[in-house]
Amino acid sequence: DAGVTQSPTHLIKTRGQHVTLRCSPISGHKSVSWYQQVLGQGPQFIFQYYEKEERGRGNFPDRFSARQFPNYSSELNVNALLLGDSALYLCASSLWDQGKETQYFGPGTRLLVL
Amino acid sequence: AQSVTQLDSQVPVFEEAPVELRCNYSSSVSVYLFWYVQYPNQGLQLLLKYLSGSTLVESINGFEAEFNKSQTSFHLRKPSVHISDTAEYFCAVSAAGGGNKLTFGTGTQLKVEL
Repeated sequence: DAGVTQSPTHLIKTRGQHVTLRCSPISGHKSVSWYQQVLGQGPQFIFQYYEKEERGRGNFPDRFSARQFPNYSSELNVNALLLGDSALYLCASSLWDQGKETQYFGPGTRLLVL
Repeated sequence: AQSVTQLDSQVPVFEEAPVELRCNYSSSVSVYLFWYVQYPNQGLQLLLKYLSGSTLVESINGFEAEFNKSQTSFHLRKPSVHISDTAEYFCAVSAAGGGNKLTFGTGTQLKVEL
């Protein structure tokens, strides 16, 4: 089975621009989460969606937004990019089984803001 | 809220030697615990997880971790490491019950030397 896929793999933007990152979950998974990993740190939670509804949001500014589509794929949007937004953006999909959940990660999108 | 502490930022070890990567967590509720591995320029791969049941969990490539509730720890061990184990290892925790974000530690860089 295919794992979590993300596009694009790499992206270079300039300050003030906006960016859209895409994620396709593992088949059958209905939950998608987004994380930001700055170089040298652990991933930080941004959003979680389940059945197209936002279930959680981390401590990120309103410049960050996301949505989940009927096929459970997801987009992460970041407006007015700052240099500090340069990071690896990871998408994870999960299947809830009797209240137990394991998140499986995609390869990430590496964003560089100049 | 949950937090994770990985005290060792780097662990150098010779090939075929044993290794232990330490992870301590803090939480006021029951938790699920995970170890993820990240190879250079890649996403996160699930190594092993504790959701319930036996407190000793094993991975297919020889790693094991033991959930110790009294010491709030989930240390990762391998009796004999290989060069290919060189990677960044992240411990993560989520509140039990599903639909909860992962909180990661800052990571431990395992460097296996000949």
